[in-house]
Amino acid sequence: AQSVTQLDSQVPVFEEAPVELRCNYSSSVSVYLFWYVQYPNQGLQLLLKYLSGSTLVKGINGFEAEFNKSQTSFHLRKPSVHISDTAEYFCAVSDNTDKLIFGTGTRLQVFP
Amino acid sequence: NAGVTQTPKFQVLKTGQSMTLQCAQDMNHEYMSWYRQDPGMGLRLIHYSVGAGITDQGEVPNGYNVSRSTTEDFPLRLLSAAPSQTSVYFCASSYDRGTYEQYFGPGTRLTVT
Repeated sequence: AQSVTQLDSQVPVFEEAPVELRCNYSSSVSVYLFWYVQYPNQGLQLLLKYLSGSTLVKGINGFEAEFNKSQTSFHLRKPSVHISDTAEYFCAVSDNTDKLIFGTGTRLQVFP
Repeated sequence: NAGVTQTPKFQVLKTGQSMTLQCAQDMNHEYMSWYRQDPGMGLRLIHYSVGAGITDQGEVPNGYNVSRSTTEDFPLRLLSAAPSQTSVYFCASSYDRGTYEQYFGPGTRLTVT
């Protein structure tokens, strides 16, 4: 069965600093990987996705993620964060069945 | 397009009451799903549907029923509410199953007392 682990429940960072949010997955088959963002009191929206091809995926708002098959990881990065990036970030995995499985989320708090 | 809409936004129920959370999408998506979000647990899949007339269970289906009579609508029914069902519920839709972007509704915050 597929699963997703987000090791950091909270990540505090100062504005303009780089950030990495970690995501590891387990699956016995090929996977599709996603990062979603949830701003306070809102639904989720897609940041980026990996389906196939280049392992470096660029998304909206300057975020990018790298698919590493050998380490079963899909970490999210941004070289310089803004206050407006404060939100909860969810990693998710699908093995092209009918289910998208989410991690427990990482709350990114950006301080001025 | 309105996207994915959910009603109501907020609801308070007493233990044992029943209710239906409504979800509709106007994007002609075949795939729809219901999640619940609880602190520290992320989103957990309750039920999903790959098309009209077809539904299946997710990770946490107990206490919930769904039906899919049309492509647009996917209501979630709580037959006898319990305090453990206090949560935020999200409906989502997608053009296809796991490989395409899922579009989420704004959520319904349910409290069961």
